[in-house]
Amino acid sequence: DGGITQSPKYLFRKEGQNVTLSCEQNLNHDAMYWYRQDPGQGLRLIYYSQIVNDFQKGDIAEGYSVSREKKESFPLTVTSAQKNPTAFYLCASSKGQGTSYEQYFGPGTRLTVT
Amino acid sequence: GQQVMQIPQYQHVQEGEDFTTYCNSSTTLSNIQWYKQRPGGHPVFLIQLVKSGEVKKQKRLTFQFGEAKKNSSLHITATQTTDVGTYFCAGGTSYGKLTFGQGTILTVHP
Repeated sequence: DGGITQSPKYLFRKEGQNVTLSCEQNLNHDAMYWYRQDPGQGLRLIYYSQIVNDFQKGDIAEGYSVSREKKESFPLTVTSAQKNPTAFYLCASSKGQGTSYEQYFGPGTRLTVT
Repeated sequence: GQQVMQIPQYQHVQEGEDFTTYCNSSTTLSNIQWYKQRPGGHPVFLIQLVKSGEVKKQKRLTFQFGEAKKNSSLHITATQTTDVGTYFCAGGTSYGKLTFGQGTILTVHP
């Protein structure tokens, strides 16, 4: 069963702690993305990766870090430097790089930081 | 940065009424994609438009791409309760990235 998995579905952390969200895909897709979704603001791009061992900042990368050591995996770390980390985080992948490829989304992780 | 604006933010309709959401960009887009996110779910790809003036239909859904490739619309005829959710447009920009609109949240009252 091909797709994208994100875990956990819900995550709670105390302020000041780093937290890593996992994203795995078995679609053999080259490109992977991380988005943040807040009410009324749509999807905002945090980081994206077009190939293994390479990634680029999106529109709101401050306070986040990523790695792409394997094609299947693109974990996102929300650091304590992120001022408003509570949000719904979505991982996506696409077959190739560029805007003409449809993106497949995972189920998301809802992070709450108190 | 490049922005893709989507209106309205919310739309409440009675079942059977039509619904339209609009997407506008200040710059020319290479392509536009539309996604639907059901309540509590994740965005799912609906369609992509590439050509100037392109119109595509999927059952009761009609998608249009403007002649100048700066705007797009999604029209649903005779809405059903299964149409509820948030509809996003995403424009392909000159930076080689998809930029998502803010989304339109559709509520359908039975």
